[in-house]
Amino acid sequence: QSALSQPTSVSGSPGQSITISCSGTISDIGGYNFVSWYLQHPGEAPKLMIYDVSKRPSGVPYRFSGSKSGNTASLTISGLQAEDEAEYYCSSYTSFNTLVFGGGTKLTVL
Amino acid sequence: QVQLQESGPGLVRPSQTLSLTCTVSGGSISSGNYYWSWIRQPPGKGLEWIGHIYYSGTAYYNPSLKSRVSLSVDRSKNQFSLKLTSANAADTAVYYCARVIDWAFHLDYWGQGTLVTVSS
Repeated sequence: QSALSQPTSVSGSPGQSITISCSGTISDIGGYNFVSWYLQHPGEAPKLMIYDVSKRPSGVPYRFSGSKSGNTASLTISGLQAEDEAEYYCSSYTSFNTLVFGGGTKLTVL
Repeated sequence: QVQLQESGPGLVRPSQTLSLTCTVSGGSISSGNYYWSWIRQPPGKGLEWIGHIYYSGTAYYNPSLKSRVSLSVDRSKNQFSLKLTSANAADTAVYYCARVIDWAFHLDYWGQGTLVTVSS
């Protein structure tokens, strides 16, 4: 299975909004609403931020939102804050009852 | 609050078997609705899903690792384990264990991770 495709890096200024894309196929993102997003700060374990394409776990700020169109999922962060600077990974269930991650996107808050 | 903790050797010789155990606390590994998963992250690189296992022992693996990986569950100890045979330098990574929601396939609880280096 091939990794999902994410941009290597994105950046934005505090208060702005950014969107990270995650592209897959009909066998993963396009076929199921089981897309999740994880935030990882250096030296820490990943943290779940979005699941089922657009749902937020308890405690995740409303600034984080997710969506999907066809074989591409997106994570949008509005009102950027300094603590949002991190690596972000998307993940999807696949038709083989496996999981696949994206390559990761480094978010820099300018 | 569910907690997961990885344990095992930090150094593995090439061609040997890499073995890790994840101990689950704050919840039973035998309760339904969850898979128990291993994920790894080579230094400076992204996440790679290795596989996940149900409490019954049914397991699913990353096709790229399937020939070398096996997962198991010890319900009496509330633990699950990973074995990766014929280890090589490319297997050097931080290994995480995590809980997977079985009806939605997202990982809601993660261990802190443990670095395993494959080197002679």
